[in-house]
Amino acid sequence: QQQVKQSPQSLIVQKGGISIINCAYENTAFDYFPWYQQFPGKGPALLIAIRPDVSEKKEGRFTISFNKSAKQFSLHIMDSQPGDSATYFCAASRGAGNMLTFGGGTRLMVKP
Amino acid sequence: GAVVSQHPSWVICKSGTSVKIECRSLDFQATTMFWYRQFPKQSLMLMATSNEGSKATYEQGVEKDKFLINHASLTLSTLTVTSAHPEDSSFYICSAKGLLNNEQFFGPGTRLTVL
Repeated sequence: QQQVKQSPQSLIVQKGGISIINCAYENTAFDYFPWYQQFPGKGPALLIAIRPDVSEKKEGRFTISFNKSAKQFSLHIMDSQPGDSATYFCAASRGAGNMLTFGGGTRLMVKP
Repeated sequence: GAVVSQHPSWVICKSGTSVKIECRSLDFQATTMFWYRQFPKQSLMLMATSNEGSKATYEQGVEKDKFLINHASLTLSTLTVTSAHPEDSSFYICSAKGLLNNEQFFGPGTRLTVL
C-alpha cells in the first residue's frame, strides 16, 4: 500500500512540446503529492505540489492534474525546453514534510 | 532560505573503512531529518528518519548497526557507513524539515565509492 507507480520511465519531447508524466498511488491516506526535478549528481528539488482538495494546480509552465477517485496524478510541462531535461520524480506522503514515498522516476530529454 | 548542505560531496574509501557524511540545515532548525539512498538510474529509497535528540527510525531492510545516524543538534545530522563495502557505493541524500516548514528540503547528495 506504500507504492507509487510512475510512467513512463523515459520520455523524449521536442522543444516547445508538452511533457506528460503520470503517477498512481494505492494508499488513500496520502494527502500530499509533490513533484521533484533532479539533475545528474544533484539532490532533488521541489517543483510543485498538490493536495487532494484541488484537481489542478499551475505554476508557470508546470501543472499538476489530480484525480482523487482514480488515485492518479500527473505533471504537465508546457513549452518544454532543453533545460528541462532531467529526471522527474513524483512522491506522496501523509502530510507535507513527512515521510515521502517516491515513484520510480522519469528521465526526460527535450530535443532542441 | 531553507538550504540544506551535505559534506563531503563525494568520497572514495577502501573496503572495510568507515565514512561519515554530514547533513546541515543552514538557515533553519531541522526537527526531522531523513536519509535516502539512490542507486544509479533508480529512485530514492528512504533509509531512516531521525528526530533531534531521539534515536533514528530505520526502514525495513536497513541495518542500523551499519548505517549509524546521529541527530544531536537542530542543524546537524550525520550518517556513518561502518565497515563500508563496494555494495554500499551509492548516492546518499539527506533532507530536512523544520518546525515552521511544511516541506522537506533536500541536500545536494554525497557520492560514496567504496573500492
